[in-house]
Amino acid sequence: SQTIHQWPATLVQPVGSPLSLECTVEGTSNPNLYWYRQAAGRGLQLLFYSVGIGQISSEVPQNLSASRPQDRQFILSSKKLLLSDSGFYLCAWRGRGSDTQYFGPGTRLTVL
Amino acid sequence: AQSVTQLDSHVSVSEGTPVLLRCNYSSSYSPSLFWYVQHPNKGLQLLLKYTSAATLVKGINGFEAEFKKSETSFHLTKPSAHMSDAAEYFCVVSVAPSGNTPLVFGKGTRLSVIA
Repeated sequence: SQTIHQWPATLVQPVGSPLSLECTVEGTSNPNLYWYRQAAGRGLQLLFYSVGIGQISSEVPQNLSASRPQDRQFILSSKKLLLSDSGFYLCAWRGRGSDTQYFGPGTRLTVL
Repeated sequence: AQSVTQLDSHVSVSEGTPVLLRCNYSSSYSPSLFWYVQHPNKGLQLLLKYTSAATLVKGINGFEAEFKKSETSFHLTKPSAHMSDAAEYFCVVSVAPSGNTPLVFGKGTRLSVIA
């Protein structure tokens, strides 16, 4: 069966520090991968999605970037965090030929 | 353009009473529709999915939803609420019949269950 992992589960970082969040999927090949952010009291905002290794689409201009170095690995990064980057970050995957997305457990990021 | 409207931001029910979470959608295509549940500080879990088969869809944990094309609705119901049902619920529409475009999420409905 397929599983999706995210780490770390929680992170507290100072403003201006770098960020790296990792997402990995097991049990499937060539998935579509997604990064979402959920700010406090708000819905989900799609940040990036990827249809293959090295292929990244950005949905909103921002302080963040994404990379997909391997088929089942998706990384969210920042060179310098802002206070507004605080939130709950969710990774999701979707199999080829399906429109159902499955979500990871999330990372709670607090920028102080 | 596709859109999803969850008509209630917060619903409160007593334990053992029925649950109704309302969702209306707009889609240019024959849509795929989903309900997800999110418990505090957790990821989203798929409750159920409609994909143009039976209009009444049964999901996990006793939830079900009925697709009504004439009303463009996809309301989520459960006959008897349990304390563990307290969570945030998202109605979601797939914006295209296939391809790499993302899902469109409603703003969520927070369900409270009172003992």
